[in-house]
Amino acid sequence: AQSVTQLDSHVSVSEGTPVLLRCNYSSSYSPSLFWYVQHPNKGLQLLLKYTSAATLVKGINGFEAEFKKSETSFHLTKPSAHMSDAAEYFCVVLMNTGFQKLVFGTGTRLLVSP
Amino acid sequence: NAGVMQNPRHLVRRRGQEARLRCSPMKGHSHVYWYRQLPEEGLKFMVYLQKENIIDESGMPKERFSAEFPKEGPSILRIQQVVRGDSAAYFCASSPDPPGQGGHEQYFGPGTRLTVT
Repeated sequence: AQSVTQLDSHVSVSEGTPVLLRCNYSSSYSPSLFWYVQHPNKGLQLLLKYTSAATLVKGINGFEAEFKKSETSFHLTKPSAHMSDAAEYFCVVLMNTGFQKLVFGTGTRLLVSP
Repeated sequence: NAGVMQNPRHLVRRRGQEARLRCSPMKGHSHVYWYRQLPEEGLKFMVYLQKENIIDESGMPKERFSAEFPKEGPSILRIQQVVRGDSAAYFCASSPDPPGQGGHEQYFGPGTRLTVT
């Protein structure tokens, strides 16, 4: 079965420094992977998605993620954090058995300090 | 396009009461998904519906929970005889295509936060 593991429950960075949110996946075949962001008391917004095209995926707000099959990873990065990036980030895999559904990681809370 | 609408945004119920959560998908979307998010956890899939049909309810608790998506009107998630453990955020999402097509992008609503006292 497909699953994702988010290695850090919290990540703290200073404004202007790089962001790295880690995600490893488990899948018996090439998966579809997503990163969603959830701001406090808001719904989820899709940041980016990987669907077996280019391994480096660019998303909104300057985020990008690289699919690395050899490492079974799909880490989310941003060169320079902004205060508005503080939120909860979810790595998500699309199950490909039965009726396909999204399987969410447990989330990483990004804290950005001035 | 107004996006996925959910109401109410906050709902307080006493134990034993019923909770009704509504979701209006984006215009043109006929596929609706419900998820539950417990505190400090990720979202867990509950049910997938198309108009008038439940396609996959593998994530729904066996008792007290039901969902519908009628031909006219919003999708409803109904929880009967609520208990404290039902306190959570319930998110609805919609998509224009069935799962597996078009990259399966789902658009999420703002959620309903249910508190059972």
